[in-house]
Amino acid sequence: DAKTTQPTSMDCAEGRAANLPCNHSTISGNEYVYWYRQIHSQGPQYIIHGLKNNETNEMASLIITEDRKSSTLILPHATLRDTAVYYCIASLQGGSEKLVFGKGTKLTVNP
Amino acid sequence: NAGVMQNPRHLVRRRGQEARLRCSPMKGHSHVYWYRQLPEEGLKFMVYLQKENIIDESGMPKERFSAEFPKEGPSILRIQQVVRGDSAAYFCASSPDRASYEQYFGPGTRLTVT
Repeated sequence: DAKTTQPTSMDCAEGRAANLPCNHSTISGNEYVYWYRQIHSQGPQYIIHGLKNNETNEMASLIITEDRKSSTLILPHATLRDTAVYYCIASLQGGSEKLVFGKGTKLTVNP
Repeated sequence: NAGVMQNPRHLVRRRGQEARLRCSPMKGHSHVYWYRQLPEEGLKFMVYLQKENIIDESGMPKERFSAEFPKEGPSILRIQQVVRGDSAAYFCASSPDRASYEQYFGPGTRLTVT
């Protein structure tokens, strides 16, 4: 699995967009970029995934650079409940193989 | 559709005892994964199972740890002769099939070894 690097921590004001970067310069052509988050020691929660195109769902948007070496997770209107550790993971197909979690980014949403 | 269920949620064992952690995947899910999270660390993959088969156990410690996912019933992660270093949160995840993309995680079992 490709190694990903993320900032250790970030802060965001409530109601503003939170932009979480991830570098995955060694990602292979058939690896997806996944984002999960873990809220205060709960089980991780899937957010979104993508291969080449930008993706959007009810939780977030995922922007992947054209060379696929980096991506950004966007929470458009962060709330206090979005405070969590966010993990960026490169995986061939997340439903049929292990996920390799790094240290993630601790996002703190401030009132 | 109930989510992934794990029990017990908290388990205390003395050194040398056995710990059994149970995971009931979501309905219709036949793939189960176990991850361990040591205090202040990230999640580490342990084992991936399908019904009655171990697919990938590359993250399992060589001794004392075993896992099963029988045809009927929950998946079991068994730790024999627990030591203090086994104290951690153990998370189970499930997915419906090989073509799926996301894993659904349970709330975890917190194991404390005294």
